[in-house]
Amino acid sequence: QVQLVESGGGLVKPGGSLRLSCVASGFSFNAHYMAWIRQTPGKGLECISYINRSANMTNYTDSVKGRFTISRDNAKSTVYLQMTSLRVEDTALYFCAGGREWLRFDYWGQGALVTVST
Amino acid sequence: QSVLAQPPSVSGAPGQSVILSCTGSSSNIGAGFDVHWYRQLPQTAPKLLLYGNKFRPSGVPERFSGSKSATSASLAITGLQSDDEADYFCQSYDINLNGVIFGGGTKLTVL
Repeated sequence: QVQLVESGGGLVKPGGSLRLSCVASGFSFNAHYMAWIRQTPGKGLECISYINRSANMTNYTDSVKGRFTISRDNAKSTVYLQMTSLRVEDTALYFCAGGREWLRFDYWGQGALVTVST
Repeated sequence: QSVLAQPPSVSGAPGQSVILSCTGSSSNIGAGFDVHWYRQLPQTAPKLLLYGNKFRPSGVPERFSGSKSATSASLAITGLQSDDEADYFCQSYDINLNGVIFGGGTKLTVL
């Protein structure tokens, strides 16, 4: 069955870095667009980054531009989110999600909690 | 404050029908971008419920239907069941923001 499994979350101090990974199985990973979407009680769901099938196009929401980098390895069926210069407001549950069609999310992982705090 | 506006809560009795609204603008829904709906049960990830305004993924019952008009979209649920209690989110794309947008979500309570 379809699975997206995130890892790499945790507690980090402001200014620190984390790398999230998301391993996919049960579907044709290289035929799907992938995204990272975060959720907080206050801001709801926010799509912070997405990447196309061949990894030659990426997009970032303004609040993470220049700090976060999305990438994918189709051979490993894995999408990554490198997060640097983390801020308290980056604290959230981070989901990876994938879709056959652009801007649609057919599958979601269970989420990885990132807490940025002193 | 979300670009797509959803009522925070909606309720209905078992067996009844409810309609959840999602109101956007000319730069997203009104620009022709599709609306997708997701359901999130407590402590779980969102799950695709409807795509392309009205299409159901495999396994989603016909009780769930969607429509889109001008700058808004709706999700209708008929024959409410207790396990329909969840948060429902709409999602589209905004050409001015150049990004994916979500509604703030509607919490459905089955009385």
